[in-house]
Amino acid sequence: GAVVSQHPSRVICKSGTSVKIECRSLDFQATTMFWYRQFPKKSLMLMATSNEGSKATYEQGVEKDKFLINHASLTLSTLTVTSAHPEDSSFYICSAYPGAGQGNYGYTFGSGTRLTVV
Amino acid sequence: GENVEQHPSTLSVQEGDSAVIKCTYSDSASNYFPWYKQELGKRPQLIIDIRSNVGEKKDQRIAVTLNKTAKHFSLHITETQPEDSAVYFCAATGLDTGRRALTFGSGTRLQVQP
Repeated sequence: GAVVSQHPSRVICKSGTSVKIECRSLDFQATTMFWYRQFPKKSLMLMATSNEGSKATYEQGVEKDKFLINHASLTLSTLTVTSAHPEDSSFYICSAYPGAGQGNYGYTFGSGTRLTVV
Repeated sequence: GENVEQHPSTLSVQEGDSAVIKCTYSDSASNYFPWYKQELGKRPQLIIDIRSNVGEKKDQRIAVTLNKTAKHFSLHITETQPEDSAVYFCAATGLDTGRRALTFGSGTRLQVQP
């Protein structure tokens, strides 16, 4: 089946530092990658849509300068949380849809990254 | 944009009973409705999905029904087991090129009492 590998699974960083989260599609080409954020006991909220070779599209209220998204290849998308603050602590998860001709596995999710900013 | 509402937020059933979770959506262009099970700290796992060209789909103890006219869909779990305890999310999107993100419901915490 389609697999999305996400790293790191957990990260603790100090306030003011930056953290990069990577999502790789291992056996399919992810033209589009979606980035979600999930607070404890809450739903997944879409942050941005990452398109290979072009700028990401951010949802209303999400600061594009704080959450930098890069989708340089068909198999890799990264989310960088810049100048992290404790309120950025959350579960970040990526998702991709393999698309026509690449199987019928539905939207595939990465394993998530638990970010804790201290 | 799409808006998905999900009820109930919590559901407690006895082992062996049935559980029903309901969702409504707002965008008539949505045509793909998956259901996910998420355990604490884990990724959502697809348990069943339905497309708008069918009204019902079943997979062993799990079934999903869709009413396009009313814009609502439901998850039915029969003969519940303790391992069914988790948070369940419904979602909706327009599945054309895969460039539209899923919009999730608020989630239902299902607890199956042994």
